[in-house]
Amino acid sequence: KAGVTQTPRYLIKTRGQQVTLSCSPISGHRSVSWYQQTPGQGLQFLFEYFSETQRNKGNFPGRFSGRQFSNSRSEMNVSTLELGDSALYLCASSLAATELSYEQYFGPGTRLTVT
Amino acid sequence: GNSVTQMEGPVTLSEEAFLTINCTYTATGYPSLFWYVQYPGEGLQLLLKATKADDKGSNKGFEATYRKETTSFHLEKGSVQVSDSAVYFCALISPNAGNMLTFGGGTRLMVKP
Repeated sequence: KAGVTQTPRYLIKTRGQQVTLSCSPISGHRSVSWYQQTPGQGLQFLFEYFSETQRNKGNFPGRFSGRQFSNSRSEMNVSTLELGDSALYLCASSLAATELSYEQYFGPGTRLTVT
Repeated sequence: GNSVTQMEGPVTLSEEAFLTINCTYTATGYPSLFWYVQYPGEGLQLLLKATKADDKGSNKGFEATYRKETTSFHLEKGSVQVSDSAVYFCALISPNAGNMLTFGGGTRLMVKP
């Protein structure tokens, strides 16, 4: 079974631009979560989508948004990029229909650099 | 709110040494606990998990026991290898927080031959 895939793997953008990252979950997984990883803040939860609906949201500004398609693929968008948005963005998929104990499987991440 | 605290690294060990990485947590409700590992340039891999008190998760020689009384989930391995060099993250999912993982800060392990 193929794992979680993320595209692109690397991205360089300029301040003020916007960016869209893509995530394809493991086949059969309906939950997709996004995390931001930075040296200073560590791993922080952005949001989770389940059956095309945002189910949970972390404490990030409205410039960060996402969506999920009917095939469970997900995209996240960051508008008006800031230098502080430079990070590794990780996507994770899970079988979870309800909370608790369902393992989340992570993709390799997209490394975003904002200059 | 929920939080996870891990010992700060880096932890440097010689091959075949015993490893312990401490992890304690604060959570509302009864969380599930996880250890993830991140190798250089890669995403996170689930190493092991435990979902109730006194559960022991184990994988690839690593193990951790869910201790509710001390709110801890320490990672141990009896004999580390150079290939175990990576960053290890302790994490939890709390019943009141949906499917959201809360992570510790990560502990870098370096194993020397």
